[in-house]
Amino acid sequence: TQLLEQSPQFLSIQEGENLTVYCNSSSVFSSLQWYRQEPGEGPVLLVTVVTGGEVKKLKRLTFQFGDARKDSSLHITAAQPGDTGLYLCAGGLNRGGKLIFGQGTELSVKP
Amino acid sequence: NAGVTQTPKFQVLKTGQSMTLQCAQDMNHEYMSWYRQDPGMGLRLIHYSVGAGITDQGEVPNGYNVSRSTTEDFPLRLLSAAPSQTSVYFCASSYYRVRRNSPLHFGNGTRLTVT
Repeated sequence: TQLLEQSPQFLSIQEGENLTVYCNSSSVFSSLQWYRQEPGEGPVLLVTVVTGGEVKKLKRLTFQFGDARKDSSLHITAAQPGDTGLYLCAGGLNRGGKLIFGQGTELSVKP
Repeated sequence: NAGVTQTPKFQVLKTGQSMTLQCAQDMNHEYMSWYRQDPGMGLRLIHYSVGAGITDQGEVPNGYNVSRSTTEDFPLRLLSAAPSQTSVYFCASSYYRVRRNSPLHFGNGTRLTVT
């Protein structure tokens, strides 16, 4: 059973469109991180949210942490081909300091 | 900065063989971990360590052993390789505050095929 459910798993859109990726759980997380991964490389951190209701913006990317700290979303405005990649959410658990990942969202932005 | 270095990049094993995947970091991070990445499964935690001499199991530890004799190194041992262990393996490290805002720094992965 996946502790963190990420959706959608695949997303193929045209340049200029908007999209939202969701990350949901029944567990409460102490923090929620979003990573982006390119082929042949390890994931790289985009952002960390730690407070329920927190919203962070990174240029065209907007990240939100749910009020109950059980879910998060990533919204991309006016997607560009350079946004193509695998997006992963990861929840920090208070016990043991472990970080648990969702299944990932494979995003393809076509010019 | 080297960051997190994983070797080898690629490996092919026969069923039943053993091997060690190497991981080294030069950032003085207390926390180190191993993940495996399979299509549609995201990253699943195999083992982790919060400091030298301390290791613990993650979500999928069976068939793997780890040790942490130094802060820098965290090798992952496959005792008797099975086809189900075909995967891409990532080592990651951070300061031991993962529950707050310390990012994980990942290596570039080891692609393992077991035939």
